[in-house]
Amino acid sequence: EAGVAQSPRYKIIEKRQSVAFWCNPISGHATLYWYQQILGQGPKLLIQFQNNGVVDDSQLPKDRFSAERLKGVDSTLKIQPAKLEDSAVYLCASSLTLSNTGELFFGEGSRLTVL
Amino acid sequence: DQQVKQNSPSLSVQEGRISILNCDYTNSMFDYFLWYKKYPAEGPTFLISISSIKDKNEDGRFTVFLNKSAKHLSLHIVPSQPGDSAVYFCAARELGTNAGKSTFGDGTTLTVKP
Repeated sequence: EAGVAQSPRYKIIEKRQSVAFWCNPISGHATLYWYQQILGQGPKLLIQFQNNGVVDDSQLPKDRFSAERLKGVDSTLKIQPAKLEDSAVYLCASSLTLSNTGELFFGEGSRLTVL
Repeated sequence: DQQVKQNSPSLSVQEGRISILNCDYTNSMFDYFLWYKKYPAEGPTFLISISSIKDKNEDGRFTVFLNKSAKHLSLHIVPSQPGDSAVYFCAARELGTNAGKSTFGDGTTLTVKP
C-alpha cells in the first residue's frame, strides 16, 4: 500500500514570495489534514478535509494560507505572501473516516525555509 | 494554552533498560490517546494508542498506561534498543471529533545508547 506522498520535500523562498505544497493521501482515506510543525514543537493542525469539504480550518491563517481538495483526493496548501515565521515542516496526513483510534498516516513532510 | 504537554524534551537510556516517556493533558473531553514516533527527515508514524476507558495497552515492547484521574499517560519501552532513538509525540483526540483530529505535545527525544 502506497503511503502519503508530498512534494516538494524542501523549498527555500524569500519573504513575501508564494509557495505551494502538494499532497496525495493513501487511497481510500476520506479525511486529509495539513499540519504545521515548527522546529522544537509538535505538529499543529492547520486544516482538515472530509472528502472535498472543509471540516476544520479554525487555525489556518486565512489572510495568507489557503488549501483546497477539489476532487476529494489530492490537496494543495498555498502560502502567499510568506513570512519568516512560516518556516516549518508542513505535514500532510490522512485517515480512514471510520477509524476508531483516529490513527493518522503522515507523509514525509515539506520543509519550508523563508529568508 | 497547551492541552497536551510533554515536559521532558529529552531522555537518554542505556540499551536493554526501560524507557519511560510521560505526557500530561488538561482536556477531560479527550477520548483517545496516541503515541507517534518520528525519525529525522521523516513524518511521524503511529506507534500505539489507548482508549480513555482503559488503563493499559500493550504491544510487544511498548506499553501505554493511562491515569485518567491524574490526566497523565506514559509510554514504556522494554527493553530499549538503539533503533528506538527518535522523537516521540503524545497526541490526544477529543470526544466526538470527526475522525482523527488530534492535539500533539511538543515531543520527547529519546536516545538509546548501545
